[in-house]
Amino acid sequence: DAGVIQSPRHEVTEMGQEVTLRCKPISGHDYLFWYRQTMMRGLELLIYFNNNVPIDDSGMPEDRFSAKMPNASFSTLKIQPSEPRDSAVYFCASNEGGVKLFFGEGSRLTVL
Amino acid sequence: GQQLNQSPQSMFIQEGEDVSMNCTSSSIFNTWLWYKQDPGEGPVLLIALYKAGELTSNGRLTAQFGITRKDSFLNISASIPSDVGIYFCAGGGYGGSQGNLIFGKGTKLSVKP
Repeated sequence: DAGVIQSPRHEVTEMGQEVTLRCKPISGHDYLFWYRQTMMRGLELLIYFNNNVPIDDSGMPEDRFSAKMPNASFSTLKIQPSEPRDSAVYFCASNEGGVKLFFGEGSRLTVL
Repeated sequence: GQQLNQSPQSMFIQEGEDVSMNCTSSSIFNTWLWYKQDPGEGPVLLIALYKAGELTSNGRLTAQFGITRKDSFLNISASIPSDVGIYFCAGGGYGGSQGNLIFGKGTKLSVKP
């Protein structure tokens, strides 16, 4: 069975550029989560969706970050404009409810 | 915000040794989970604990949900080289919400053959 699929796996961009990260959750999972991982802060929840509706976006750092889920099989996390401090690994995870999360392989973002 | 204190931060052990790591919090959680992350990969769930005092095993791994609901322990017996990775604890189910987890900073395990 296909797991959570994220793209791109790696992105290097320059400060000020727009970054779009993509996620395809596991089929049938109606919860989708975006996490950010850094050395300093570890894994932090940014936002999560239930049935394509954003439920809690209190972890989104600032207005430069936005996330959408136009349908059950696709979500995006956008950063505009990007800054060097946004460099991190961004994980998407999904589940059917409850606490067991299934993570993708992550998107490593480097902002120069 | 809520935080989990995970220790130790790193461990260097010999193959065959047993490993213990723990996680504590000032807050109560309804669920404790343990994940493992290999380099360049996402975290993978190892064990989920749902009841205070629960002791659950998964092969050579054993985890316990503390009685106070503020801590959890993970033990790995007879370590092997493929146990290398970062182990994360996570607390869930706080404030009535199940899906958003609070993660510890991780324990990096190195196993010398």
